[in-house]
Amino acid sequence: DQQVKQNSPSLSVQEGRISILNCDYTNSMFDYFLWYKKYPAEGPTFLISISSIKDKNEDGRFTVFLNKSAKHLSLHIVPSQPGDSAVYFCAASGSTQGGSEKLVFGKGTKLTVNP
Amino acid sequence: DAEITQSPRHKITETGRQVTLACHQTWNHNNMFWYRQDLGHGLRLIHYSYGVHDTNKGEVSDGYSVSRSNTEDLPLTLESAASSQTSVYFCASRQGASTGELFFGEGSRLTVL
Repeated sequence: DQQVKQNSPSLSVQEGRISILNCDYTNSMFDYFLWYKKYPAEGPTFLISISSIKDKNEDGRFTVFLNKSAKHLSLHIVPSQPGDSAVYFCAASGSTQGGSEKLVFGKGTKLTVNP
Repeated sequence: DAEITQSPRHKITETGRQVTLACHQTWNHNNMFWYRQDLGHGLRLIHYSYGVHDTNKGEVSDGYSVSRSNTEDLPLTLESAASSQTSVYFCASRQGASTGELFFGEGSRLTVL
């Protein structure tokens, strides 16, 4: 059973507009969430994270929102740029899972930003 | 600069052969992980280690093994390669805290014929 779900396999937006990538999770023990970005033929790279004690974290053009009651988080990219075209993975971990430090990843959303 | 490297980057092998993918990190991180990436499945955890001589199974561990004899290396072995193990494999490391960033290698593309 998937614990982290990214239901949109792909998303296409125009340069300069907002990109919104969504992620849902089912495990209430998750308390830390991350977004990773992956270009073809490269490893994933860390983008932004949020702790469950917050509902928003911002870093430049990237903002992550967390709605704990809905078990939902989203990544906003404003404004979107062609260089943002990549696969974005949502990931979650639970520091309280008996000391578990594993990251559980979603299936990814491929973002295409058109010039 | 500290880094995490994987080798080989590309490998083609035959069904039934033993294959080992190497992962080496120079950050002195305690935690190391192996993931595989497949279309429609995202990144799935194969094995992980929290320190020397510690290894644990992930969600897709069947057919794979790892060993951790030092801090820097976590080789992934496919005892008898199967076509279902054709995939891109990523090694990653993190110092310890679950809130720490996970650093990934560039990946090893394995094709089993």
